[in-house]
Parts: sequence; C-alpha cells; structure tokens
Amino acid sequence: KAGVTQTPRYLIKTRGQQVTLSCSPISGHRSVSWYQQTPGQGLQFLFEYFSETQRNKGNFPGRFSGRQFSNSRSEMNVSTLELGDSALYLCASSLYAANTGELFFGEGSRLTVL
Amino acid sequence: DAKTTQPNSMESNEEEPVHLPCNHSTISGTDYIHWYRQLPSQGPEYVIHGLTSNVNNRMASLAIAEDRKSSTLILHRATLRDAAVYYCIHIAGGSQGNLIFGKGTKLSVKP
Repeated sequence: KAGVTQTPRYLIKTRGQQVTLSCSPISGHRSVSWYQQTPGQGLQFLFEYFSETQRNKGNFPGRFSGRQFSNSRSEMNVSTLELGDSALYLCASSLYAANTGELFFGEGSRLTVL
Repeated sequence: DAKTTQPNSMESNEEEPVHLPCNHSTISGTDYIHWYRQLPSQGPEYVIHGLTSNVNNRMASLAIAEDRKSSTLILHRATLRDAAVYYCIHIAGGSQGNLIFGKGTKLSVKP
C-alpha cells in the first residue's frame, strides 16, 4: 500500500513569492491535514480538508490556504512568502477525520525562503 | 488556550522501561490524547491514543490520569530504534477538532 506522498521534497523561494505544495494521501483516505514544523515553534496544525471541504483551521494568517480535489489529493498555498515561513511542511492522511483516528504522515516538503 | 507540556529530553538504557510524561491540563471531556514519534528526516509515526482508560498496543502503553490532565507513554523495553522525538497531541473532539502538539520529548537510548 503506497504511503502519503508529498511533492516537492525541497524548494527554495524568495520573499514575496508564492508556493504550492502537493500531498497525495493513501488510497481511500478522505482526510488530509497539513502541519508546519519549525525548530522554534515545533509542530503546528495548519488546516484539515475532508471530502473537499475545509473542516477546521489552525491559527495561521490568511496567506496560508489549501484545497482538496475529488480524488482526495490536496494542495496548500502560501502567498507573499516571509522569511519566517521557512519550515518543513508535513501532510497527513486518515480514513476518517483527523481528530478521530490514526494519521499517516508524509516525509514533508522543506521550504527555504531567502 | 489549549496546551500540552512535555520535558525536552529524556535518557534511557536499552531494554529498560521508559515513562514519557505529558501534561494537558486544559483537556475537556471529548478530547483524545494521541502520541506520535518522529525519527530524523521522517514524518511522525502513530504510537498510541486514548480517551479515558489505559490503552495497550504492540508498541507501547498509555496511562491516563483519572482527572485526564496528564498521561504517560510507557515503552516497556526500550531499544535503540526507539530513539526519537515523542509528541503528545491533545486532539479536541467535535467538529472543530484542532490538534494541539506538545514540543516533543527527545528520547535517547543508551546501549
């Protein structure tokens, strides 16, 4: 069974640019949730999509957005990048809602903002 | 604001039990406690979760305090492969189920 796949694995952007990250969940999983991991703040929940609808959202500015497609694949977008957005972005998929069961994480997309 | 608190690091000897504590003093009735661990350069991996009573699986045991304001992850016999950062996650129940992560405990296992 294929795991959660995130692309790209590494990317470098400059301040002011935007970035789109992709997450392909495990087949059959309907929930995709996104997380930001930094040395200072640790792991923080960004948002969750379930059956193409945003189910809940963490405490991040509106520059962070996402969507989910009918095949459950999800993308997250960060606009007007800031230096502080440099982080490892992780996505996780689950069969049911993220707060009800086991999450399966991808290996992450490491974003560096210069 | 909801918050989980964990020690920054702990050490253990191989083949000895390890008790990793977590405080989640703001937990409410329908909130779950999950534990994940993360090896270097990998995404987190599920370990165990529970609501009120103690839980066991092949990886670990989870002991939840009677008032649910704290929990302890128990690795019965630590191995070198258990060296990782362990995250305690307070997951709010209901339709607005945000996930509140602790800062994680880095577990070192000595041979």
